[in-house]
Amino acid sequence: GAGVSQSPSNKVTEKGKDVELRCDPISGHTALYWYRQRLGQGLEFLIYFQGNSAPDKSGLPSDRFSAERTGESVSTLTIQRTQQEDSAVYLCASSLHRGNTEAFFGQGTRLTVV
Amino acid sequence: DAKTTQPNSMESNEEEPVHLPCNHSTISGTDYIHWYRQLPSQGPEYVIHGLTSNVNNRMASLAIAEDRKSSTLILHRATLRDAAVYYCILRDVSGATNKLIFGTGTLLAVQP
Repeated sequence: GAGVSQSPSNKVTEKGKDVELRCDPISGHTALYWYRQRLGQGLEFLIYFQGNSAPDKSGLPSDRFSAERTGESVSTLTIQRTQQEDSAVYLCASSLHRGNTEAFFGQGTRLTVV
Repeated sequence: DAKTTQPNSMESNEEEPVHLPCNHSTISGTDYIHWYRQLPSQGPEYVIHGLTSNVNNRMASLAIAEDRKSSTLILHRATLRDAAVYYCILRDVSGATNKLIFGTGTLLAVQP
């Protein structure tokens, strides 16, 4: 595809349920990032994958949050036992590894926990 | 992670130039200076980046101080569509610390 694709675009879930959010990065991009953005706030770093290296999970807010990525392809962000404070837009981005290249963002998944 | 400091908000008039400042006094020799912007209800988009020399592209210009401790994003003629939050970010050239951490950015308002 031409850009970073995220699905679903919108998700409404009941408190306590688990959700999975998907990110399809641009082909060939070895770096993949997940962010959370609450309404009216900035981007909060969650997790960073780089090739086959161990992911940087330093931004995950609790053990209810986890993410996987198989090789340099699709990534899935899983939130277990969702809470109302998890309501936010979850953004995914991908880039080549080098620091002098740009990152491309998807349109995000808007998660609403009711 | 190297940090950047930006004003919380700025205002401009349409068709006028806008200079968005960023301080990064702890920048290392291997850090690139990147700028992204986020339009309302959209994901961030890349604007421009540079290392030492000033840079120009179709969207903007980036002026980098000689000591690299500050930079300025220049929009030559602001349009209403340029109203967004602008983020200044440092990225290590080697990719060793490549988390792409966003600060609070500068909210740019453009008046007609």
